[in-house]
Amino acid sequence: DVKVTQSSRYLVKRTGEKVFLECVQDMDHENMFWYRQDPGLGLRLIYFSYDVKMKEKGDIPEGYSVSREKKERFSLILESASTNQTSMYLCASSSLPSNTQYFGPGTRLTVL
Amino acid sequence: QQPVQSPQAVILREGEDAVINCSSSKALYSVHWYRQKHGEAPVFLMILLKGGEQKGHDKISASFNEKKQQSSLYLTASQLSYSGTYFCGTEYESNTGKLIFGQGTTLQVKP
Repeated sequence: DVKVTQSSRYLVKRTGEKVFLECVQDMDHENMFWYRQDPGLGLRLIYFSYDVKMKEKGDIPEGYSVSREKKERFSLILESASTNQTSMYLCASSSLPSNTQYFGPGTRLTVL
Repeated sequence: QQPVQSPQAVILREGEDAVINCSSSKALYSVHWYRQKHGEAPVFLMILLKGGEQKGHDKISASFNEKKQQSSLYLTASQLSYSGTYFCGTEYESNTGKLIFGQGTTLQVKP
């Protein structure tokens, strides 16, 4: 059974804190993705990675960075959290040729 | 570049049909459909490839109109379990794996 796990379901941080969101997949997928989900805006791509140590910016990368040191793990970093980064964060992974994305359960981040 | 989904929301009675559209202003390579139930992760439904045939399973099917750069998801004889938010994810370049998702369509099926 395919599995994408995220380190926390709920997270509360203070403005200015450095925040790490972790995602792990057990399917040996090459591609991994970070999205944020806000009401009425759908799923917006922050960053994706198509191989270890490789990354590409998505549509809304400002204020975020990522790290992929191992194939199964993809981290999203908020260098200095701000209140407008309060959101639901979803991680996904996929593999060629189908490119079907498998999503984790999400992390609801609140920045106070 | 985000595809546009319509309608934004729809309410049905059990047994009624619904159509959700996903339109792009840019040429599409493929369209993926996902459903997200409240409090859960999005789950893959099906993929439509450029030049491919209409897909479907059970009472949910989809089509891809290359001329209009539009995909439509058809839900027939809806069941309570169909309730959720439906997203289309569009792929503009072949086999990059990168999807751009629409804003979602919320479907509520009532008894």
